[in-house]
Order: sequence, then C-alpha cells, then structure tokens
Amino acid sequence: SQKIEQNSEALNIQEGKTATLTCNYTNYSPAYLQWYRQDPGRGPVFLLLIRENEKEKRKERLKVTFDTTLKQSLFHITASQPADSATYLCALPESGGSYIPTFGRGTSLIVHP
Amino acid sequence: EAQVTQNPRYLITVTGKKLTVTCSQNMNHEYMSWYRQDPGLGLRQIYYSMNVEVTDKGDVPEGYKVSRKEKRNFPLILESPSPNQTSLYFCASRLLGGQTGELFFGEGSRLTVL
Repeated sequence: SQKIEQNSEALNIQEGKTATLTCNYTNYSPAYLQWYRQDPGRGPVFLLLIRENEKEKRKERLKVTFDTTLKQSLFHITASQPADSATYLCALPESGGSYIPTFGRGTSLIVHP
Repeated sequence: EAQVTQNPRYLITVTGKKLTVTCSQNMNHEYMSWYRQDPGLGLRQIYYSMNVEVTDKGDVPEGYKVSRKEKRNFPLILESPSPNQTSLYFCASRLLGGQTGELFFGEGSRLTVL
C-alpha cells in the first residue's frame, strides 16, 4: 500500500508570505493526488485534485504541483492570511485504480498576523 | 444542502456498553467510509462500503462493526467499547466515478470510553 509523508512539524509563516507544504509518497505513482484542509475538531474539506498528467493546478490563491519523478506534490498558498491557519492533508488512492484513499498525517500551517 | 450527518457528536461511555454512531448522507453517494483520528496517527480507515450490502475492512477494523442496509446510512457499531477506542471518528462519502473523487466528511463524533 501507499506510504505518504508530510512534514509533522508545524509551518509558521508571516501573513502575506507564500506557504509551501510538501507531500511525498513511496511505492507506485498514483493516478491523482488530493489536498484537504482540516480545522481543529472538524472534518477535512476537499480543496484540489491534480492528476498524474497535470504538472500544476491552480484555484484562487492555491497552487498544487505534482512531480511523478520525484514522487512529490507541493501545495502553495500565496498571500497567506491568518484564516488559512489549519492542517493540510494530502491523499492518494490506496493502489492503482483504487477508490480507497490513503491520507497523510497532515502538516499544520500557522499564519501570524 | 449536501451533507454528511453524524450522531452523536460527543459521547462519554463506559467499557463494554454497546454503542452505535450513525452516519447519513443526502448525496446519493455509493461509497461511504469510517475513519478514526488520533493525535500523531492521522486518519485511519476503519471500514468502508462501495454500495448497499457491500462492506470491507479498512486498516483498523478490530472492535468495530458496520452495516449498509440503505444507500444513505452507514452506522458504526462498537459492540463492547474499550478505552483504546477513545478517539475522534469521521464518516465520509463520495460519488464513485466523479470528476474529483472528493470525499465529503461529517463533522466528527468525539467518543470517550472510560
């Protein structure tokens, strides 16, 4: 099954800067990768999906890249705001063609005013 | 409004007292799943269901049961809860074959077993 690594240390940045979070995976290359946001005590909320044939995807201030050679996805939030403070999870299919996602443990982002 | 509803949201119980956490979705999703989330361990899948009467074990199924008699409901049953089942539980659903594979999560059920 897929193993996913996200930085367990919280990322602290200043408001207005760009936050960059990393998701690394081992084993096979997935057909897609998803990013979710989770606020404390709440359920994760889907943000973006990027497919293996897409190098980059954007949605408002969010940008996701997907490098299948490095087995890595980067998640960027530009012009970050304190309201962006949350834990961000990446998720991949458990195996090729699977509908079952495997989640990383998430990285906490703290944006300071 | 599209949503996944879990009940109860908070529960304190004692070891051995059977309990059920209900989950209902109003989006006609085929796939439903239960997760538990513990500090430092992330989201771990307990059971999932690809459709009515079809259920399968996830990564941590021991001590749990599920059923899928109707498409919208997917209850999680703890026949004899133990303290190591104290956790935050999430139900999720998704449309199979959708464009994004987006999982919709419930608000969570915080369970404490004394």
